[in-house]
Amino acid sequence: GAGVSQSPSNKVTEKGKDVELRCDPISGHTALYWYRQRLGQGLEFLIYFQGNSAPDKSGLPSDRFSAERTGESVSTLTIQRTQQEDSAVYLCASSLYASVNTEAFFGQGTRLTVV
Amino acid sequence: GESVGLHLPTLSVQEGDNSIINCAYSNSASDYFIWYKQESGKGPQFIIDIRSNMDKRQGQRVTVLLNKTVKHLSLQIAATQPGDSAVYFCAENTGSARQLTFGSGTQLTVLP
Repeated sequence: GAGVSQSPSNKVTEKGKDVELRCDPISGHTALYWYRQRLGQGLEFLIYFQGNSAPDKSGLPSDRFSAERTGESVSTLTIQRTQQEDSAVYLCASSLYASVNTEAFFGQGTRLTVV
Repeated sequence: GESVGLHLPTLSVQEGDNSIINCAYSNSASDYFIWYKQESGKGPQFIIDIRSNMDKRQGQRVTVLLNKTVKHLSLQIAATQPGDSAVYFCAENTGSARQLTFGSGTQLTVLP
C-alpha cells in the first residue's frame, strides 16, 4: 500500500476484554514499531521488530501486552484483560531498515477506549 | 532513565512570524535526531533530521539546529502558516535496536 495502515481506527471495549490491533506496514519495510500515545503526551515505545530477528519487547508495560509479526508483513498488538489505563492511541510505524538516517513512517493509529 | 524532553508545552505565534521549538535531550550517546509533526487525528510525519556530526540542517522553511555541548535541539519554522499548527515532537535514536525515543511534544498554534 501507499502507507502504513492500521485497523480498526477506533475501538471501544469493556474493561477485562481482550483486544487485537492490526498494522500493515509499507511493503518492503523490514523494521516495524509499536508506540502508545496517551492524551497530551509523547510517544511511548512498546515493541520493535526487525526482519526475522527476535523482537525488542523492552517497552511492553506488562505481560498483558504482546505483539506478533509474520515475516516482514502484518503485525498485531494484543492487549489482554484491558484496563482503563490502556486507553490511548496505539501507533504503528515502519521503516526500510533500522539504522541511522532511516525515516519511520507512521500510520494514523488506533484509538482505544476502555470503559 | 534518560529521556528527551521539551521546554515548552505550547507555543502561539502570529501568522508570518518565525517559530522556534526547543528540545533538550540527555542521552549523550544519541547520534541521530528527528523532528516530527503531528496534526490532529493523524500519525506523526517526518519533517527533518540531523546527525550528531552536524550543527545545522535546512529544509524548506525549516531549520534544525543541534548544540551537542548543551544537548539542545531546536526547530525553526520560517514565515509560519496556519497549516503549521500541530504538535511537534523531537526524537532521538537510542539503543542498539535503533528505536526512537520521543519527547512529550509542543503544541504550536498559529494565530491569524
